[in-house]
Amino acid sequence: DSGVTQTPKHLITATGQRVTLRCSPRSGDLSVYWYQQSLDQGLQFLIQYYNGEERAKGNILERFSAQQFPDLHSELNLSSLELGDSALYFCASSDGPVGQGAGEQFFGPGTRLTVL
Amino acid sequence: AQTVTQSQPEMSVQEAETVTLSCTYDTSENNYYLFWYKQPPSRQMILVIRQEAYKQQNATENRFSVNFQKAAKSFSLKISDSQLGDTAMYFCAFILYNQGGKLIFGQGTELSVKP
Repeated sequence: DSGVTQTPKHLITATGQRVTLRCSPRSGDLSVYWYQQSLDQGLQFLIQYYNGEERAKGNILERFSAQQFPDLHSELNLSSLELGDSALYFCASSDGPVGQGAGEQFFGPGTRLTVL
Repeated sequence: AQTVTQSQPEMSVQEAETVTLSCTYDTSENNYYLFWYKQPPSRQMILVIRQEAYKQQNATENRFSVNFQKAAKSFSLKISDSQLGDTAMYFCAFILYNQGGKLIFGQGTELSVKP
């Protein structure tokens, strides 16, 4: 158990819908990261938040957004869902941005999103 | 652009034997961290080993060790005394020191340990 929790574990929805994925980082970790794992794209970095502020951005679609709240939990919002958004979404956390800590990211168990 | 390449999509090894997984990466930066992550059938991502690019000494963690060749941009993982529980997808990844936490992953190598 990495100490990172993600809810829900599974999500099945229809095209055009909107969903919210939730992540709680390890106790004391200030950075939260979101990754998408799909069969065709592999593991891709989406976005990072550090202590409530956006820190780094990857190949995140405009239909996707994220935020980190004062209690440090994070939410990833996916809207206007398409079949191709079906994937495993991971949240990870670390104790600081790279360069100020170990650089090690601890991954949650993931949320499996299926868009029908 | 930074990339990570794992040229072996699948590998197999007999229990108790040694196997080496290959990884090459491309970056023009000098400061970065390298990692190997394991993803068993449960899909959990588990850190196996990490290497700081400024350290010349190769990292080791019990049965896992790396061969880090900075000039060649190569970062291979050696698993000694392979166990059935080592069966998993293995991902090579790196982070640039000054670009937040953007982990860049390779496509993965699926390792099967056979009894």
